[in-house]
Amino acid sequence: EAAVTQSPRSKVAVTGGKVTLSCHQTNNHDYMYWYRQDTGHGLRLIHYSYVADSTEKGDIPDGYKASRPSQENFSLILELASLSQTAVYFCASSDALGGRYETLYFGSGTRLTVL
Amino acid sequence: GNSVTQMQGQVTLSEEEFLFINCTYSTTGYPTLFWYVQYPGEGPQLLLKVTTANNKGSSRGFEATYDKGTTSFHLQKASVQESDSAVYYCVLGDRNTGYQNFYFGKGTSLTVIP
Repeated sequence: EAAVTQSPRSKVAVTGGKVTLSCHQTNNHDYMYWYRQDTGHGLRLIHYSYVADSTEKGDIPDGYKASRPSQENFSLILELASLSQTAVYFCASSDALGGRYETLYFGSGTRLTVL
Repeated sequence: GNSVTQMQGQVTLSEEEFLFINCTYSTTGYPTLFWYVQYPGEGPQLLLKVTTANNKGSSRGFEATYDKGTTSFHLQKASVQESDSAVYYCVLGDRNTGYQNFYFGKGTSLTVIP
């Protein structure tokens, strides 16, 4: 069974503080993604990575950095947290076999509240 | 660019009623389209995938097809159950950038009343 684990499950941060969200996958997948979920917006892609030590910007990267130190781990970093970054964050992984689209496997999410 | 429009934000049905959710998509490539379902407190999970226009994907009693001519994609189920209450997302898979990416609609929250 594919497994994506996020930590922490929830976090309260102060405005201007640094926040790091972590994601670990045991699927041996090449791709990892960070999505943000807000009511009325669905899931929006922040950053993704297709190989260790490389990250790419998604649709809403401003205010976020990402780090992929190994195939299994992918972090999302908020250097200066802001109120507008209060949301639920999901990490996902997928494989990229040939030309086929493979299933996205999601973690359970991290609920971030910035005060 | 790539986008998915999912107009129905909330749908409420009684058990055994027919479900139909529609999306439209925009892409310059050759899409693969998905439906993901999200239950409370969990991440989304794949419901079904359709790789070819006018072909039907099916899973757990749900069916989906997409029409390349109208760039529409829909999900249907003949008879819903209370356990189908969840948020349903239509998702566009794209590789126009050279990388594999997925674009989500805003989601349709389905409530099934017993």
